[in-house]
Amino acid sequence: DAGVTQSPTHLIKTRGQHVTLRCSPISGHKSVSWYQQVLGQGPQFIFQYYEKEERGRGNFPDRFSARQFPNYSSELNVNALLLGDSALYLCASSSDRGGWYGYTFGSGTRLTVV
Amino acid sequence: DQQVKQNSPSLSVQEGRISILNCDYTNSMFDYFLWYKKYPAEGPTFLISISSIKDKNEDGRFTVFLNKSAKHLSLHIVPSQPGDSAVYFCAARGLGSQGNLIFGKGTKLSVKP
Repeated sequence: DAGVTQSPTHLIKTRGQHVTLRCSPISGHKSVSWYQQVLGQGPQFIFQYYEKEERGRGNFPDRFSARQFPNYSSELNVNALLLGDSALYLCASSSDRGGWYGYTFGSGTRLTVV
Repeated sequence: DQQVKQNSPSLSVQEGRISILNCDYTNSMFDYFLWYKKYPAEGPTFLISISSIKDKNEDGRFTVFLNKSAKHLSLHIVPSQPGDSAVYFCAARGLGSQGNLIFGKGTKLSVKP
């Protein structure tokens, strides 16, 4: 049974570029959340999508956007990359909107902006 | 302003002894607290949780205690094993937050054989 899968695992981008990160939730999970983990910090909430609609948004600039597809997979897009966007981006899925049955995290995408 | 704080960046414990990881929070509107364990190059793995209406939850070697008056929770691991060496994150979910979690900075636990 596949867990939460994220691609790519590592990525190097230049300042000002655009990046798209992808996430496939556990089969049957309808909720996908995105988190950013900067070195030495805990994960910080970016977005939550449930049933293809945005249900929550963290304190991130408009350069960050996301969407969820009919098969519940999700993309996180970041425009005009800054050095400070270098981080581990984690995707988490849950079967319900509120995470009552727990969140399962993927292994993340390590983004380096140079 | 951090709402969930883990003030100890690291903890070293001898195998077989008890590990106690601590977490403080500032917001009384959290309804659920969770502990996650993270190994390098992996995503966080759920360990144990506790509802804000309880004061203790136990699962095998892991017990979480919640002291609401002190806004403090702790994770006890007994007995500690070398495989427990990882970074432990405390997380909280706000009432009506639609489910998003607020994490502490983590505590790196090292269990020495």
